[in-house]
Amino acid sequence: EPEVTQTPSHQVTQMGQEVILRCVPISNHLYFYWYRQILGQKVEFLVSFYNNEISEKSEIFDDQFSVERPDGSNFTLKIRSTKLEDSAMYFCASSGQGRVSYEQYFGPGTRLTVT
Amino acid sequence: DQQVKQNSPSLSVQEGRISILNCDYTNSMFDYFLWYKKYPAEGPTFLISISSIKDKNEDGRFTVFLNKSAKHLSLHIVPSQPGDSAVYFCAASADGATNKLIFGTGTLLAVQP
Repeated sequence: EPEVTQTPSHQVTQMGQEVILRCVPISNHLYFYWYRQILGQKVEFLVSFYNNEISEKSEIFDDQFSVERPDGSNFTLKIRSTKLEDSAMYFCASSGQGRVSYEQYFGPGTRLTVT
Repeated sequence: DQQVKQNSPSLSVQEGRISILNCDYTNSMFDYFLWYKKYPAEGPTFLISISSIKDKNEDGRFTVFLNKSAKHLSLHIVPSQPGDSAVYFCAASADGATNKLIFGTGTLLAVQP
């Protein structure tokens, strides 16, 4: 069964450093998303991406964040200068077209720890 | 911003019995609702969804009920199995170009053997 994959599973970085989180969405999906979950809190939407551009971003997704689909398979989230409060689980998701575009399939997540 | 609420942080059920997980929402623009199951250190797993034009959707042991007038939905699991023990998230989406999901806080279901 096709699945979303994410690398790395755990990333430790120092405050102020740049990190890139990588995702390979399900191959025939057209919509891509990033969410995050701070420990003990709800899963929060960060950004959605369709047709090679951002379709919506949340207030959390400020100028320190960017997304890219550098080739036909990868989808990345970059945080330019990490802060302590960026420590969270980051989930990539993808969905197909039409009615099933609401049904998002999530990857296993990357645990980002900023020290 | 609590557009999607799951008021029960936890639920304990005996194996073989019915589990009922509840979710309330406030935004009348939501038109698609989903339930996800999540194990620790894993991503949410899609379980079942329902469009706002329906009031019930069934898939095997899982049934989701939607009461639009009450802005309430519920997930029924029958019969409950120990492997169902996980955190269950309700999520909602409004019609639009982005399909972003707004999640509830989750309910931890423990199915006792």
